[in-house]
Amino acid sequence: AQSVTQLGSHVSVSEGALVLLRCNYSSSVPPYLFWYVQYPNQGLQLLLKYTSAATLVKGINGFEAEFKKSETSFHLTKPSAHMSDAAEYFCAVSDGGNNRLAFGKGNQVVVIP
Amino acid sequence: GAGVSQSPSNKVTEKGKDVELRCDPISGHTALYWYRQSLGQGLEFLIYFQGNSAPDKSGLPSDRFSAERTGGSVSTLTIQRTQQEDSAVYLCASSLLGTGWSYGYTFGSGTRLTVV
Repeated sequence: AQSVTQLGSHVSVSEGALVLLRCNYSSSVPPYLFWYVQYPNQGLQLLLKYTSAATLVKGINGFEAEFKKSETSFHLTKPSAHMSDAAEYFCAVSDGGNNRLAFGKGNQVVVIP
Repeated sequence: GAGVSQSPSNKVTEKGKDVELRCDPISGHTALYWYRQSLGQGLEFLIYFQGNSAPDKSGLPSDRFSAERTGGSVSTLTIQRTQQEDSAVYLCASSLLGTGWSYGYTFGSGTRLTVV
């Protein structure tokens, strides 16, 4: 079964600094990969997704992620953190085998002024 | 509707009581999912509906949990004899049939359940 690993439950980043959230996946077939963001007291919102087209995927709010098959990774980055980026971020994977997404445990991002 | 609607947004219940959580998916979305979000545990899959049938119930944690969907639309998740470990945020999501695993889901805002 597919799965994802997100290390570091809490990530602190200074305003204006690089945001880097790591995601490694496990899948027996070419995966579909997603990043979701959850703001306080809200549901999850899709940031971006990889569906076997371009390996560098651009999403909303200036985020992007790169699919690296050799490293089984799909890390999320943003060049310059903004206070509004404070939220929880989830990586998810699907291989189509069971028609559902498997989520990581999430990264709580804190932006320091 | 325009989005996935869940009710109530917050529910406090006494241990041992039954609770019902409601999800109204996006109109036309035939696939519906329930997940549970506990502190530090990420999202735990509970059940998946395709139309009114549930081909995958593998995530339901015990027989106290059940779910149904009627008319291919609204779904209800029922927890009987609630326990304190049931306290969590219950999230519902929907997608067009057959596309959720490749296009992603649309999530509701969740129901925060607290068992006291």
